[in-house]
Amino acid sequence: EPEVTQTPSHQVTQMGQEVILRCVPISNHLYFYWYRQILGQKVEFLVSFYNNKISEKSEIFDDQFSVERPDGSNFTLKIRSTKLEDSAMYFCASSPLRGGDTQYFGPGTRLTVL
Amino acid sequence: GNSVTQMEGPVTLSEEAFLTINCTYTATGYPSLFWYVQYPGEGLQLLLKATKADDKGSNKGFEATYRKETTSFHLEKGSVQVSDSAVYFCALPSGAGSYQLTFGKGTKLSVIP
Repeated sequence: EPEVTQTPSHQVTQMGQEVILRCVPISNHLYFYWYRQILGQKVEFLVSFYNNKISEKSEIFDDQFSVERPDGSNFTLKIRSTKLEDSAMYFCASSPLRGGDTQYFGPGTRLTVL
Repeated sequence: GNSVTQMEGPVTLSEEAFLTINCTYTATGYPSLFWYVQYPGEGLQLLLKATKADDKGSNKGFEATYRKETTSFHLEKGSVQVSDSAVYFCALPSGAGSYQLTFGKGTKLSVIP
């Protein structure tokens, strides 16, 4: 069964450094998402992406964040200058159709900012 | 926008006990409703979904019925196993035409032998 994959599984970085989190969505899916989950808290939406542009973003997704689909398979989340409060589990998801349809999540990348 | 209110845990049950985790929603229209599960150290997995009122979603012995009269989507299982120990999240699209899912706070279930 096709799966969403994410790399790395764990990333440790120093405050102020740039990080890129990578995702490979399910191959025939058209919509891509990033969510995050701070330890012990609820899952929060960051951004959705369709047709090579951002469809929707939350207030969390400020100028420090960007997303890109650099080729036909990868979907990346970049944090330009990490802060301590960016420490969280970041989940990528994809869906074949727009909102309301099932989103399939990857295993997550745990980001630790020191 | 749409929202969910989910029973907070933690919930501790003995093996073979009956499980109910409550979820109520506030929504415009009748969006799809989802239950996701997060096993220890893992990501989110879709457990089940229902796409319209009165639909029943089911998977791995879990069931949830989309009830518009009570705006609820409670998760049930007749006989839980130790392997069901996980955090369960109720979710729905945040609004008509929205791409984002809104999640409940999650309910941690621990099943003891």
